[in-house]
Amino acid sequence: ILNVEQSPQSLHVQEGDSTNFTCSFPSSNFYALHWYRWETAKSPEALFVMTLNGDEKKKGRISATLNTKEGYSYLYIKGSQPEDSATYLCAFIKANAGNMLTFGGGTRLMVKP
Amino acid sequence: DTGVSQDPRHKITKRGQNVTFRCDPISEHNRLYWYRQTLGQGPEFLTYFQNEAQLEKSRLLSDRFSAERPKGSFSTLEIQRTEQGDSAMYLCASSNREEWPYEQYFGPGTRLTVT
Repeated sequence: ILNVEQSPQSLHVQEGDSTNFTCSFPSSNFYALHWYRWETAKSPEALFVMTLNGDEKKKGRISATLNTKEGYSYLYIKGSQPEDSATYLCAFIKANAGNMLTFGGGTRLMVKP
Repeated sequence: DTGVSQDPRHKITKRGQNVTFRCDPISEHNRLYWYRQTLGQGPEFLTYFQNEAQLEKSRLLSDRFSAERPKGSFSTLEIQRTEQGDSAMYLCASSNREEWPYEQYFGPGTRLTVT
């Protein structure tokens, strides 16, 4: 059984605050780590696919880092906006496992105007 | 082609009834996945297809569940004799085996409520 954990489970911030979430995953047999944003009533939207230790990726105000040796990834949001309110999911892919995603429980972010 | 679509978006059924969901993937994608999400949890893998072949099934997929992808295009997920524990969001995703890093594109899901 693969353990992928995310913290915190939920987060309330004020507009303009910067925030970060953690995803921890098994450090052995690593293949890839995905981050998704899932807004209510919409499809989960891919943010990043990270494959190499030390990867840093950025999309606008959102960035992510990856440490495969210790089994964690951080997602950062700079200057949160109300439209950032969503559930952020990380998903781990184990090597030789058919590309199946094993998800963490998600971090629910609520940004107050 | 605008993305992965799922039908219906919501389904309410009585315990013991059979239900079937449909997923239409992105047209050039040869891999199709089904996941299930229950309240407060992340999505869990159920099964996946490469073209029409079902290559992997989770232990979560009991005998009451069956999935097909008859022509390697759309897929159906059927649940027989539904139970209240089957209430969940059923998500479908597709990817292209030839496009590294095999990003999975998700549909909006079918929310099943079993009463």
